[in-house]
Amino acid sequence: EVQLVQSGAEVKKPGESLRISCKTSGYNFTNSWINWVRQMPGKGLEWMGRIDPGDSFTTYSPSFQGHVTISTDKSISTAYLHLSSLKPSDTAMFYCARGPLTGHNWFDPWGQGTLVIVSS
Amino acid sequence: DIQMTQSPSTLSASVGDRVTITCRASQSISSSLAWYQQKPGKAPKLLIYKASSLQSGVPSRFSGNGSGTEFTLTISSLQPDDFATYYCQQYNSYPYSFGQGTKLEIK
Repeated sequence: EVQLVQSGAEVKKPGESLRISCKTSGYNFTNSWINWVRQMPGKGLEWMGRIDPGDSFTTYSPSFQGHVTISTDKSISTAYLHLSSLKPSDTAMFYCARGPLTGHNWFDPWGQGTLVIVSS
Repeated sequence: DIQMTQSPSTLSASVGDRVTITCRASQSISSSLAWYQQKPGKAPKLLIYKASSLQSGVPSRFSGNGSGTEFTLTISSLQPDDFATYYCQQYNSYPYSFGQGTKLEIK
């Protein structure tokens, strides 16, 4: 069974940085892209970017470029989302999601989500 | 960037009803469209991919249709478990984008 398990909820202060992990299992990690999606409180889904774990090539949404970094550690089949210079407006739920095939495709499955609260 | 617009934003229906949600793309996305169901406090769940392919394990009362710029998700006979928020997503080109969501409520 393919599973994506994310790290736990975080409470951060403005200006701090954060790394969220997404540990995968049940498939060959380097054969599928990992995407990251943001959901602000009470709002819809926003695609942030994706990474190809095979070659670490990344693509970011212009809305998030420069504010987030996506990386992987192939040795432990884990993807990461790095957020820097956090603001209260970064408070959101963040999801990782696997693209089952290489190239443009849908997301399945999704991680359970990581809630990030940024507050002074 | 491709904008995805869902209608309606909210839909009130009863168990047993047939409902249809529409998703329109601002430019052609061929059949590169997925539908997801999200329940409160849970991650989205894939229902439909390639506009009309039913994900394994998803009940057959869910169906998707369309290509180009106009797409629909139909639930043939609503069950209590179906009351949730539904999102369409285009994956034809970057940046990927989602519709704003359709909340399906019990009438």
